[in-house]
Parts: sequence; C-alpha cells; structure tokens
Amino acid sequence: DTGVSQDPRHKITKRGQNVTFRCDPISEHNRLYWYRQTLGQGPEFLTYFQNEAQLEKSRLLSDRFSAERPKGSFSTLEIQRTEQGDSAMYLCASSSTTQGAALHFGNGTRLTVT
Amino acid sequence: EDKVVQSPLSLVVHEGDTVTLNCSYEVTNFRSLLWYKQEKKAPTFLFMLTSSGIEKKSGRLSSILDKKELFSILNITATQTGDSAIYLCAGIWQYGNKLVFGAGTILRVKS
Repeated sequence: DTGVSQDPRHKITKRGQNVTFRCDPISEHNRLYWYRQTLGQGPEFLTYFQNEAQLEKSRLLSDRFSAERPKGSFSTLEIQRTEQGDSAMYLCASSSTTQGAALHFGNGTRLTVT
Repeated sequence: EDKVVQSPLSLVVHEGDTVTLNCSYEVTNFRSLLWYKQEKKAPTFLFMLTSSGIEKKSGRLSSILDKKELFSILNITATQTGDSAIYLCAGIWQYGNKLVFGAGTILRVKS
C-alpha cells in the first residue's frame, strides 16, 4: 500500500491560465474522489468516480472544472480559466467497495492563483 | 441538504487534559459518521460509526454515535502535543457515496 499520490504538490498560476492535477489512488481501490479545502473549512466534495465512470458531481462545480479517470486508475482534474477564488488545497481520496466509506486521502495539491 | 456541524471551532488545552469534540448532523437518510485527524496535509481516518450507542476505541481516542439526538463525540484522554491537529467529522447518507465534512475543530495541546 503506497498510499494516494498527488502531483504536483504546489502550483502557482496566473488568473486565466489552465491547470491540471493528477491523482494516483491506492492500486486496488475502485472509487476515487476529488475534494477542495480552503482555510478554516472542511473538505468540500467536488466529484466521484467508480472505476472509469463519473457517478456524481457537485452542483457547486462550475463548467470550468472537469475531471477524468479514463482507465479506471489515475485521475486528472483540470481547471480552465482559473480565478483567484479557485485558490485552495485540492485533495484526492480513494476507497474500495469492500472497505465502504473510509476514504484514504492524498497530501493534496495546493493551488495559488495570482 | 446534508449538513454536519462541529463544535467548538477551536480549543486549547494542556498536556494531560481530556477533551471532547462534538459533531451534529442532519438526519434524513443518514448512514454513517466518520472522524478524521488532519495535521499538515492529508486527513487520516480515525473511526467510522454506524450503530448508535456502541463506543469505538483506539488507544486514548474513543468515539460514540447517538442516532436519537443526531450527534457524535470524539474523546481524547491524557492529551499529548502530538494530538494537536484539526479533527474533522463527516457524514455519509443513504443512496450516496460522498462524505460531507464539517468545518473541523482545531485542537492545540500545550506542553
């Protein structure tokens, strides 16, 4: 068990640029989640995959956000035309259907939009 | 809307003290409640509670769920400086697989 891996650890970008983050879940986990966390708040759900299927997406997620998990393994989260309000920690988590709801989180990607 | 509320928002104690952290949740179609500890980065899993009144323990930490009053508590006895962290609780509801988190309680243990 090598844990959930996220890349990059930090990203600084200028407003209006596109950014893409990658998440590698624990290898035997079929569920993958993206969360966003800002200072003083708990993680906020963005989207969820089971295998390669995106089964749920937050209503709060604008059209500038898109996530993929093409082969049911790693996932990418892309933010287009970044805004300063997108600055946050983006956390990825995974779980397996046999383990139920206990998510295993990665260390996150901290995004700063200037 | 699914909602989780934690209290207090922050807490400062001295080593050796016992602390109780609170978490309340909305009832509709509720399934389970989870506690996580977050230090610098990734939240790490502590407990998952599904049945009311059954205490779960791990060392100095314990937690219990009250489905009648719609809350859970996390107790930490004989606190140590290494317990300083943000403690998050999260609910999961029927017919869904996402966790809904509270804002967290920031615990600082002073030596």
